[in-house]
Amino acid sequence: GAVVSQHPSRVICKSGTSVKIECRSLDFQATTMFWYRQFPKQSLMLMATSNEGSKATYEQGVEKDKFLINHASLTLSTLTVTSAHPEDSSFYICSADPGSGTDTQYFGPGTRLTVL
Amino acid sequence: KQEVTQIPAALSVPEGENLVLNCSFTDSAIYNLQWFRQDPGKGLTSLLLIQSSQREQTSGRLNASLDKSSGRSTLYIAASQPGDSATYLCAVSPTTASKLTFGTGTRLQVTL
Repeated sequence: GAVVSQHPSRVICKSGTSVKIECRSLDFQATTMFWYRQFPKQSLMLMATSNEGSKATYEQGVEKDKFLINHASLTLSTLTVTSAHPEDSSFYICSADPGSGTDTQYFGPGTRLTVL
Repeated sequence: KQEVTQIPAALSVPEGENLVLNCSFTDSAIYNLQWFRQDPGKGLTSLLLIQSSQREQTSGRLNASLDKSSGRSTLYIAASQPGDSATYLCAVSPTTASKLTFGTGTRLQVTL
């Protein structure tokens, strides 16, 4: 149990286009999901906290108008990178918190974004 | 602001060796600490979770300790195997159901 999926696993796009990444909790509900970004040979950095039915909370330095987050249901959160540029190329990972007293989060397999 | 550091950044050991990975954090007001494994280009696999009230957790060949007051944790891997080769990340959480602050990671290579 406790599986989180991400789609797509890999995407290549042209500069200026928008890319949507989906994060789904497959066998549990998650009122809270987190979006992280990982640049090559660096650790994960939290971008935003996504709460079902409300606006996401963004970390300092993360542009909310560029990285749009929608948490429309208890099993799905989406991250849209708008007007992507080469510097947005990164590995994006989501995690989902099942709540109910569980102290751990479950991570998706990640999405590799390459902007040409 | 919480900062998490891991030493060493990279480590190469021959198969069969016991090894210790280190993690330190600047703010001792944590709820729990976790150790994760990340294979190249992949997501994270949770290895061990230690609550702030605990001193250690064990799973198979892995043992993690926590000294909250000094802001340190260690991950001990016994009898290392080539399959243990990966990046190991520690992460701390200030409260339950909270965002994680990750360490810089240790890239481990276990050679035959």
